[in-house]
Amino acid sequence: SQQGEEDPQALSIQEGENATMNCSYKTSINNLQWYRQNSGRGLVHLILIRSNEREKHSGRLRVTLDTSKKSSSLLITASRAADTASYFCATDGYSGAGSYQLTFGKGTKLSVIP
Amino acid sequence: DSGVTQTPKHLITATGQRVTLRCSPRSGDLSVYWYQQSLDQGLQFLIQYYNGEERAKGNILERFSAQQFPDLHSELNLSSLELGDSALYFCASSPTHRDSFYGYTFGSGTRLTVV
Repeated sequence: SQQGEEDPQALSIQEGENATMNCSYKTSINNLQWYRQNSGRGLVHLILIRSNEREKHSGRLRVTLDTSKKSSSLLITASRAADTASYFCATDGYSGAGSYQLTFGKGTKLSVIP
Repeated sequence: DSGVTQTPKHLITATGQRVTLRCSPRSGDLSVYWYQQSLDQGLQFLIQYYNGEERAKGNILERFSAQQFPDLHSELNLSSLELGDSALYFCASSPTHRDSFYGYTFGSGTRLTVV
């Protein structure tokens, strides 16, 4: 079952605009991560925010986390055509025996129009 | 190149057949995770191995099995294949079994088509 749910499912913007994607989750987490997937390719880790953090930046990426609302947002500023991809949020879940796995949402498909 | 190698990249096979997907983790990583990605189900966690031992199972069918070998490469075996098994299968690796704290490194996937 999916832990994270991204919103919107698809987003189309002009190059240079900002893109905001949201993620909601159901249970408590240790951290929340965002990944990017170019069409048919593997996922690339973008940024991780821990449950005791509220905001984190990495280059043109800004992630916020609100644990009281069980939600996170990913902001990509000054978007480029190369940002066209699907973006997934992932939350960790304890599976027993000291192991954790990431559970992914279904993703937001971002299209940046040149 | 992420450092995680998956072979083959593409696989077309008939219903009822058996296939093996292979994954070599990034150098130094001990944990291997297998995920299935389909259009309707998204990314589903299948199974995790750490240093040769199974650590956790997710939504893995009984027709599917996996193992991790002493050299740390892993194989995912899919048998009695059905049309619905057509999907992208990803392998990811991380240094330890607790590395959902740090992020995974994904391979480029194997696209399986069952006809």
